Amino acid sequence: DAKTTQPNSMESNEEEPVHLPCNHSTISGTDYIHWYRQLPSQGPEYVIHGLTSNVNNRMASLAIAEDRKSSTLILHRATLRDAAVYYCILIEAGNMLTFGGGTRLMVKP
Amino acid sequence: NAGVTQTPKFQVLKTGQSMTLQCAQDMNHEYMSWYRQDPGMGLRLIHYSVGAGITDQGEVPNGYNVSRSTTEDFPLRLLSAAPSQTSVYFCASSYGTSGGSVQFFGPGTRLTVL
Repeated sequence: DAKTTQPNSMESNEEEPVHLPCNHSTISGTDYIHWYRQLPSQGPEYVIHGLTSNVNNRMASLAIAEDRKSSTLILHRATLRDAAVYYCILIEAGNMLTFGGGTRLMVKP
Repeated sequence: NAGVTQTPKFQVLKTGQSMTLQCAQDMNHEYMSWYRQDPGMGLRLIHYSVGAGITDQGEVPNGYNVSRSTTEDFPLRLLSAAPSQTSVYFCASSYGTSGGSVQFFGPGTRLTVL
């Protein structure tokens, strides 16, 4: 699987937007970009995924650069419950999830 | 739907003991997998299955066995536990293996090997 690079940690204030970046300069044309998050003492939870176009769902938005070498997960209004480790993962058909270190998001009240 | 369930939640073993971690899903998913997560680290793939009767090794398979006799269940067996296997174990399932498939994770089993 192609590798991703994420900041180790980020901080946000409650009710403000959060932009979590991910670099994936070696992405291939068939790699999907997935985001999962892991709350303390829980299993990972799916957040969002996309291939080429920007995506929105009830949890977040995913902005994908035109060259696909980077993407940004956007939480529109961070809450304390959003404090978690966020993983950006590239997945090709038939391949498995490969987790890197992720970004630890801290949300301040 | 219960989703992905795992038992037990916690387990303490002595070196050399064997045990089976249970995983079940009620979503009729073809694909199931086992990961381990060491403190402060990301998840690493142990074994996976693309359907009943089919299993394959992941990144860290040594010391673990799996079988998949039904679509619903995917147990993970530790044959002779070692302290290096102290970890949190997560089971996951997904409908398929396309790049767009979403994986659903269980709550995890915390295993300590003394």
